[in-house]
Amino acid sequence: AQKVTQAQTEISVVEKEDVTLDCVYETRDTTYYLFWYKQPPSGELVFLIRRNSFDEQNEISGRYSWNFQKSTSSFNFTITASQVVDSAVYFCALRHTGGFKTIFGAGTRLFVKA
Amino acid sequence: EAGVAQSPRYKIIEKRQSVAFWCNPISGHATLYWYQQILGQGPKLLIQFQNNGVVDDSQLPKDRFSAERLKGVDSTLKIQPAKLEDSAVYLCASSETGTLSYEQYFGPGTRLTVT
Repeated sequence: AQKVTQAQTEISVVEKEDVTLDCVYETRDTTYYLFWYKQPPSGELVFLIRRNSFDEQNEISGRYSWNFQKSTSSFNFTITASQVVDSAVYFCALRHTGGFKTIFGAGTRLFVKA
Repeated sequence: EAGVAQSPRYKIIEKRQSVAFWCNPISGHATLYWYQQILGQGPKLLIQFQNNGVVDDSQLPKDRFSAERLKGVDSTLKIQPAKLEDSAVYLCASSETGTLSYEQYFGPGTRLTVT
């Protein structure tokens, strides 16, 4: 079965704190892609990152970083020095070879307080 | 580059009425997706088109939902008759192809309230 679990429903931090959003996935495929999307209050999902199953290198983009560990089936997302504009719902997603369907987690709502 | 356009942005209808949503994908994107996002949940794929052909509609409630993509560009999603549980945001997305690696670009969504 294909599944994405985001155990944290809501996280609240104060500006400038670091925060990590957890994502655990299940799949029997050996080839797949993992994604993170941001959904601000406006409602439009914004693509943040794509990672394929053969590339376990961690990635950093500005204040954002991602830690992909195949051994634990996790793809965690860290925001360093959070800002109020980071307040949004963040979704982790899995795209597998069978039918190319994208499966989303339930999302983690992040509140960053000034 | 223009993004994915959707209309209307909001719609309120009574149960048993019908409703239609429209989506215009990014120019040149062959693949179009309709998702249903119920409050507090992640998006769930309803149907995926590759050009004007259906690739996956396994989670589309076909007794009441229908979708078409004439000429492989714009698409409409219809619900007839609507039920209370159809209240959700309906998201349209497009990608260059339907292959595994391509990210999807999402529209702003249509928020449907069924009373």
